[in-house]
Amino acid sequence: EPEVTQTPSHQVTQMGQEVILRCVPISNHLYFYWYRQILGQKVEFLVSFYNNEISEKSEIFDDQFSVERPDGSNFTLKIRSTKLEDSAMYFCASSVSSWTGDLFGQGTRLTVV
Amino acid sequence: GENVEQHPSTLSVQEGDSAVIKCTYSDSASNYFPWYKQELGKGPQLIIDIRSNVGEKKDQRIAVTLNKTAKHFSLHITETQPEDSAVYFCAASIRGFGNEKLTFGTGTRLTIIP
Repeated sequence: EPEVTQTPSHQVTQMGQEVILRCVPISNHLYFYWYRQILGQKVEFLVSFYNNEISEKSEIFDDQFSVERPDGSNFTLKIRSTKLEDSAMYFCASSVSSWTGDLFGQGTRLTVV
Repeated sequence: GENVEQHPSTLSVQEGDSAVIKCTYSDSASNYFPWYKQELGKGPQLIIDIRSNVGEKKDQRIAVTLNKTAKHFSLHITETQPEDSAVYFCAASIRGFGNEKLTFGTGTRLTIIP
């Protein structure tokens, strides 16, 4: 069964450093998302991406965040200058259409120290 | 924006009994309601979803009901098994208009007692 793949599974970074979280969505999917989950809390929307552009972003997704789909298979989330409060589990998700379920990856645990 | 509330936050049921988790949403434009199961250290796994033009959907031991007038939807798990123990999240979304994000509830930790 196809699945969304995320790397790395765990990343530790120093405050102020840049990090890139990587995702390989399911190959025929057209809608791509990043969500985050702070430990013990609910999953929060960050950004959606369709037709090679951002379709919506949340208030969390400020100028420190960016997304790219550089080669038609990978989907990356970059945080330019990490803060302690960026520590969370980051999930990539994708779907083939508006009306099919969004499938989530296993997540990247980001720890900012 | 959309707000989704979920109850209860924790639920313990005897193996074999049924479990019900309830969610309410605020935006009457929401038209898609998935449920996710999250096991420790893993990503949310889609278990069932329902569109606003349907009142009920069933898949083996899992069913979801939707009341659009009252803006609430519920997950029903029958004949619970130990492997049903997990955190369950409901979500709501407006689909088909370019705004596809999911707004999640706060989660229900379901424990099945053997």
